[in-house]
Amino acid sequence: EAQVTQNPRYLITVTGKKLTVTCSQNMNHEYMSWYRQDPGLGLRQIYYSMNVEVTDKGDVPEGYKVSRKEKRNFPLILESPSPNQTSLYFCASSRRGLTGSNQPQHFGDGTRLSIL
Amino acid sequence: DQQVKQNSPSLSVQEGRISILNCDYTNSMFDYFLWYKKYPAEGPTFLISISSIKDKNEDGRFTVFLNKSAKHLSLHIVPSQPGDSAVYFCAASAGGAGSYQLTFGKGTKLSVIP
Repeated sequence: EAQVTQNPRYLITVTGKKLTVTCSQNMNHEYMSWYRQDPGLGLRQIYYSMNVEVTDKGDVPEGYKVSRKEKRNFPLILESPSPNQTSLYFCASSRRGLTGSNQPQHFGDGTRLSIL
Repeated sequence: DQQVKQNSPSLSVQEGRISILNCDYTNSMFDYFLWYKKYPAEGPTFLISISSIKDKNEDGRFTVFLNKSAKHLSLHIVPSQPGDSAVYFCAASAGGAGSYQLTFGKGTKLSVIP
């Protein structure tokens, strides 16, 4: 089954304790991305990756890191989490179309982070 | 500066009637538009898309209309069903072929009343 898998699904932690949210896709997609969803703000992009070893900032990258060492994995790292990073996080992936056009992104089911 | 706007946070429609969800954008560079549906505790799922070279795209009960001059698009669901109750996000991208960055609206919660 084609899917994007995020772990953990839920996490409550404390300020300053480093954490990593993993994201893995089994569709051999080149493109992967992280979003956060906050009430009244919709989905905002944090970081994205066009392919292995190629990453770039989205709209709200502050306080986050990512890496893309393998095509299937795109972990989101919070080195020193703060309460304003309490949010619902989504990972997404898509493939490059035959004509180079973008393809719809497939989303994971989300990770709810609470930073106390 | 919100580039993709969904001005109606919520919408209620009777089962069997038409649901119309609206989306406005400000960035004239956007050339590809998508609608995603999201159920609680799940990730968004792709519903339908439209390229800026078209003004209409239809897929079953779902039709998206694009008015480039007004920078407006709408999603029509006919007939609406209770299972359509979800949050709908409008998204847009710019840069033509190979552009993967999406800018999302805040979403509209659709409730279809049986």
